[in-house]
Order: sequence, then structure tokens, then C-alpha cells
Amino acid sequence: GQQLNQSPQSMFIQEGEDVSMNCTSSSIFNTWLWYKQDPGEGPVLLIALYKAGELTSNGRLTAQFGITRKDSFLNISASIPSDVGIYFCAGQLLTSYDKVIFGPGTSLSVIP
Amino acid sequence: DTEVTQTPKHLVMGMTNKKSLKCEQHMGHRAMYWYKQKAKKPPELMFVYSYEKLSINESVPSRFSPECPNSSLLNLHLHALQPEDSALYLCASSQAYSGMGTDTQYFGPGTRLTVL
Repeated sequence: GQQLNQSPQSMFIQEGEDVSMNCTSSSIFNTWLWYKQDPGEGPVLLIALYKAGELTSNGRLTAQFGITRKDSFLNISASIPSDVGIYFCAGQLLTSYDKVIFGPGTSLSVIP
Repeated sequence: DTEVTQTPKHLVMGMTNKKSLKCEQHMGHRAMYWYKQKAKKPPELMFVYSYEKLSINESVPSRFSPECPNSSLLNLHLHALQPEDSALYLCASSQAYSGMGTDTQYFGPGTRLTVL
């Protein structure tokens, strides 16, 4: 079946540093989504990408939909302690719009 | 408003109990989803309802029984669960495919289920 690879698996960074994480697949995706999940809570949508090459920002977050439609990255600038959590990329295939395929997640820790 | 609500927030049940999880959204979304999530893992899709009809069942055991009474409500009925069913159960909703090629899912906060 389709799989998403997400890297890195975990990150420990100093407060104020920039963060970059990415997601790749062997399949072509129609939509890329980035979610953040805090412990014991549901995933919260950060950014949704709908077109190949699209670059979208949400505050300190920037994400891009890869030109090949097989990858996406998420950058966080000037990290702060509340950025701590698990970041999931997720994609939707054109042929199964009602299924979201999740990556394994990137665990982010921010050291004050 | 992109809120999906779930009740209860926490649930502890024995293997012989019958309980239900509830999910509600008032965004006019016509697709609703149940996911199961184990610690440090991504959510796993269980069921999808589209226009109040079950469209996807990801080979979920029959001890989990979904129900969609109307377009705003989604229930998950639980009976004779096993300890390994303990997990965070997430509900999500989306607009449902409109031919535009996009259907972003919004998640509720989840119900933390413990089966003793």
C-alpha cells in the first residue's frame, strides 16, 4: 500500500532555532496536509497544500507541495517552547479522496 | 468555526461492558471519520461515513460498531473490547468530495479509552 516516509523521526533543538522536516512518498498525492499533535489531544491542522509547487505560510510556519507531487516540507522559524509536539504529514490520493494517509510523525523537543 | 467535539474525554471500561463514544460537528460537513491512535503512532483509519452512509470499514472487528444518526453526529458503540483496544479514539470531519479535488479533515480532541 501507499506509505509516507517522514524525517527526521525526532529533533531536539534550542529555542530560537529554525526547524525543517520533510515527507516523501513513492506515490503521487493530490493534497498534502501538515498536522501538529500535543499529548492527549487530537491533531490540529497547520497547513493544507493543494497544488504542486504551492508554498504556503501560517505565521512562523512555511510548507511547500513538491513539484513532483511526491514530497512536501515544513519549516518552522524561530522555534519557541510551545512548538513542542509531534508533527504529522498526511496526504490524500486523487483516487481516494476520503482517505488520509499519515506519515509516522516527527517528534520535536525545544530546549529553552 | 472548525470545531469537532468528542465525549467523553476519558473512558475506562471492563471487557464485558457496553459503552459509546460520541462525536459532533456543526460545520455542515458531510463526511465523518473514526480513527484509532496508539501512543507515538499516527492515527489509523477505522470507518468513514459519507452523507450518513458507511463508505469505508477498514476491516475493523465487529466489537466496534459505528452509527451516524444524522449529518452532525457520529457514534462508536463498543462491546466486549479487549485490553489491546485501549487507545486514543479520534473523530474527524470533512466537507466531502465536491469534485474540487480537496477534502481537508478536521479532528476532534479524542477519547482516551482504557479497557481493563
